[in-house]
Parts: sequence; structure tokens; C-alpha cells
Amino acid sequence: GQQLNQSPQSMFIQEGEDVSMNCTSSSIFNTWLWYKQDPGEGPVLLIALYKAGELTSNGRLTAQFGITRKDSFLNISASIPSDVGIYFCAGPTGNQFYFGTGTSLTVIP
Amino acid sequence: SQTIHQWPATLVQPVGSPLSLECTVEGTSNPNLYWYRQAAGRGLQLLFYSVGIGQISSEVPQNLSASRPQDRQFILSSKKLLLSDSGFYLCAWDSGAQETQYFGPGTRLLVL
Repeated sequence: GQQLNQSPQSMFIQEGEDVSMNCTSSSIFNTWLWYKQDPGEGPVLLIALYKAGELTSNGRLTAQFGITRKDSFLNISASIPSDVGIYFCAGPTGNQFYFGTGTSLTVIP
Repeated sequence: SQTIHQWPATLVQPVGSPLSLECTVEGTSNPNLYWYRQAAGRGLQLLFYSVGIGQISSEVPQNLSASRPQDRQFILSSKKLLLSDSGFYLCAWDSGAQETQYFGPGTRLLVL
């Protein structure tokens, strides 16, 4: 099956710092999705990307669809404590969505 | 707008007991439906997906089964739970257009 590799696996940052994480695939995707999961809850969709090279923002979050269509990046600017959680990338193929292994973010006040 | 519900939110069951988790979607028709399991707070493992009533595809052989008796209802079942069935179970839906997938709030299952 498809492999989506996320890095870093975990991050510990100071409140106010910017965050960057990425997701790479061995195959091409036509859609990239980024989710955030709070403890004990279902993942919530943050940003959806549909075109290679696309750059999309949602508040302090910015995501980019890599030009090769095999990667995507998520940036969070000026982090705050509520940014804590696990961030997943995902891409669809056929009837399935493949998910990355997740990046765990801890924000230190 | 569309909403997805799961119940129960939490479940504690003894080994060998049956299981039934329910997922329903509102505000859309003919969705694709999915069951995932998440262990240790990381990694989503696809268990089953369905593209229509009565149509179930299984991704991982195990003692779980899924059914879709109605268009917007997806049920995860087991006849006899194992300790290894403990985990966080997530239901999700999408429109079939491969654009976005939306998750329910999840059910935490603890098998003792």
C-alpha cells in the first residue's frame, strides 16, 4: 500500500515559535489533506490542497502541495498552547485515504 | 451541513463478549464510510470501508466485521472480543469524490 512518511515524529517548541512539518510519499497524490487530532477526539480537517504548487492558508496555518505531487508541508506561525496535538497528512487513492504516521506537537507556555 | 455521530463514546467490555459500535452520518446521501482503529494515539489503521448499502471491503483480517444496513449507517461488530481489540475506533465519511474525509468523535474501547 501507499506509504506516507511524516517528519518530525514529535516536536517540543516554545509558545510563539513557528512550526514546520512535512509529509512525503512514494507515489503521486492529486489531493493532500492535513488534520489535527486533540487527545481523545477524532481528527479534524485543517486544510485541503487540490493542485500541485498550491499554497493555502487557514489563519496561522499554511500548507503547500509540493510541485512533484509527492510531498506537502504544513507551517504554523506564532504557536499557542492550543496548537498541541497530533497532526496527520493524508492523501486519497482509489476508495481509500492513506494517512501519515503523525507529528506530535507540544507547545511549552 | 453534514454531521457524523458515533456511539458509545466509551466502552469497557470483558474478553469474549460481543461488540457493536454504531456510526451515522447526516446531511448527505450515498457517502463512502470507513472504520479505522487507532492504537496508542498514533497511526490510523483502516479496517473496513463501504461504498454503498451492503457493500463492505475488509482491509485487515481479524475477528471484527462491519455492516451497512442503511445508506448512512455503518456498524462495527465482533462476536467475541480479544484483549488486542482495545483501541480508539474512528468512523469517517467522504462524498466519493476523493476530496476530503471527515471523522466522527471516536469510541474508546477497553477490553479487560
